[in-house]
Amino acid sequence: GAGVSQSPRYKVTKRGQDVALRCDPISGHVSLYWYRQALGQGPEFLTYFNYEAQQDKSGLPNDRFSAERPEGSISTLTIQRTEQRDSAMYRCASSLSVSDAPQHFGDGTRLSIL
Amino acid sequence: GQQLNQSPQSMFIQEGEDVSMNCTSSSIFNTWLWYKQEPGEGPVLLIALYKAGELTSNGRLTAQFGITRKDSFLNISASIPSDVGIYFCAGQSAGGTSYGKLTFGQGTILTVHP
Repeated sequence: GAGVSQSPRYKVTKRGQDVALRCDPISGHVSLYWYRQALGQGPEFLTYFNYEAQQDKSGLPNDRFSAERPEGSISTLTIQRTEQRDSAMYRCASSLSVSDAPQHFGDGTRLSIL
Repeated sequence: GQQLNQSPQSMFIQEGEDVSMNCTSSSIFNTWLWYKQEPGEGPVLLIALYKAGELTSNGRLTAQFGITRKDSFLNISASIPSDVGIYFCAGQSAGGTSYGKLTFGQGTILTVHP
């Protein structure tokens, strides 16, 4: 597609459940990034990939969060044993390369943990 | 860690007025970007800056990459109602553990009265 596509747009789940959020980057974009955005704030970095390799996961809050990009295209961010504090907008971005190409964002997945 | 201070937090202006907002950082960035976010959507790239001292325009928008590489500003001239939204600055480092990730400012909420 033309832009970064994320699904689902909204996810409501009960505390303790696992959730998987999907990102389909812009075609041909090598680098893929995950961010989390709280209401009224800018996005905060979680992790990023070059092709299928996870280059930096320093922003993942704890070991309940993981991400993969097995074929260097679509990526999944998984949160295990969700907690209420995980509720946020999760945003994906992609860029042609990691060095000097600007990142383009998707419309995000709004995650609500009950 | 890196922090970006963006100001002002919010602006209420009349249509036709010029607007200026800026970001300062405690660390050096090699790339500065300015994004606009509207309700229900992801951040949309407005301008990307790659060189210290660079001044770049995109229509009524002008942005500059500060000489010290620790600051950037965005100007909007002759504002119109559709300029309403939240404007974010973001910095990207060239290397080290921060390579690839964007650090965002807190955002400037712009309201334009017709």
